[in-house]
Amino acid sequence: DQQVKQNSPSLSVQEGRISILNCDYTNSMFDYFLWYKKYPAEGPTFLISISSIKDKNEDGRFTVFLNKSAKHLSLHIVPSQPGDSAVYFCAASAGAQKLVFGQGTRLTINP
Amino acid sequence: EPEVTQTPSHQVTQMGQEVILRCVPISNHLYFYWYRQILGQKVEFLVSFYNNEISEKSEIFDDQFSVERPDGSNFTLKIRSTKLEDSAMYFCASSYARGTNYGYTFGSGTRLTVV
Repeated sequence: DQQVKQNSPSLSVQEGRISILNCDYTNSMFDYFLWYKKYPAEGPTFLISISSIKDKNEDGRFTVFLNKSAKHLSLHIVPSQPGDSAVYFCAASAGAQKLVFGQGTRLTINP
Repeated sequence: EPEVTQTPSHQVTQMGQEVILRCVPISNHLYFYWYRQILGQKVEFLVSFYNNEISEKSEIFDDQFSVERPDGSNFTLKIRSTKLEDSAMYFCASSYARGTNYGYTFGSGTRLTVV
């Protein structure tokens, strides 16, 4: 089941620069997209979401972009901080309650 | 900030044994979920629960699995006869409204190891 894919298992970014995490999906029925952050030994923490009727949603340093025609979304973190180092999961839902997760991208912010 | 609490944090059990994973959702939440993550794999949906019944379940959630809300605060996942492949992190989550757009709250997980 590869409905949600994060093709980069890891990403390394310099502190203060922009981090861009990408996610692709195949199911055109998905109407809501979310990003979660996960530290070791903790559960996923909700970061930001976007409805399929929008193409951008911003919350502080975090912005999510949605390109429905390309079935692609991205998470931008500006500026990146050391505390942002974690695994980031993209997730999607299709009107129901369940989330379909990507494999995750491990983000490392270097000082 | 309100939390979803899961116990135990780590459970080791012998194959074939029954295990019960416990969760205390956020008190005013109405929708409850279990997810799991096998080491190195994706987080996968198991089941959602509302109004004392299952509202959706995945193909993973077979007859060996059951969920219960025995009182006003606990939400449990039972695996009747554990298999080696049940070893995973199990996450409980809850939300106050239907739908995933509220980014429901996850607990810290229970690491289940079946030996």
